[in-house]
Amino acid sequence: NAGVTQTPKFQVLKTGQSMTLQCAQDMNHEYMSWYRQDPGMGLRLIHYSVGAGITDQGEVPNGYNVSRSTTEDFPLRLLSAAPSQTSVYFCASHTVLTPYEQYFGPGTRLTVT
Amino acid sequence: GQQLNQSPQSMFIQEGEDVSMNCTSSSIFNTWLWYKQDPGEGPVLLIALYKAGELTSNGRLTAQFGITRKDSFLNISASIPSDVGIYFCAGQRMDSSYKLIFGSGTRLLVRP
Repeated sequence: NAGVTQTPKFQVLKTGQSMTLQCAQDMNHEYMSWYRQDPGMGLRLIHYSVGAGITDQGEVPNGYNVSRSTTEDFPLRLLSAAPSQTSVYFCASHTVLTPYEQYFGPGTRLTVT
Repeated sequence: GQQLNQSPQSMFIQEGEDVSMNCTSSSIFNTWLWYKQDPGEGPVLLIALYKAGELTSNGRLTAQFGITRKDSFLNISASIPSDVGIYFCAGQRMDSSYKLIFGSGTRLLVRP
């Protein structure tokens, strides 16, 4: 199993550009989440999904969209990038049987200039 | 906003020393977890705690779920250079769903 994979590893955007961060998992986990990590702030939940076709907002959802058309994939879309969205983004997944034991991807480091 | 206070923010210790870090909250938590993050990687789960008072070990790591349900502790015994990284606590509040709240992390550096 590859676990949770994320692409790209690094990305630089100009203010106003849009892009999609990809996340995929091959563990058949029902739940998937997106977090952002900023210095000194730990991880904050952006959006999450409890299954295909079902998504909900986390703590910091503004400026981001998600969709979940399959169990495996959970892309995160930045609609119009802003410098405040410079961060490291992590995707995570877990099963309903162990809801708190999340498996994280390697992260995408995004810089918005 | 941030609801978990994790301390210390950083530690620089000698190889072989023991390490202690903790997380506290003003809210009651159902579950406490401890993760480790290596540079350039995502966090990896070390220990999960599900009951107040629970004490769980994973090799040289020992974590405890505080009896008040508002705190948790992680101890690392006989530290080695590969213990270097950032350690995060995370918790699930009683009034929320499965969503986790993360502490701000403890950066551990080990001097060989």
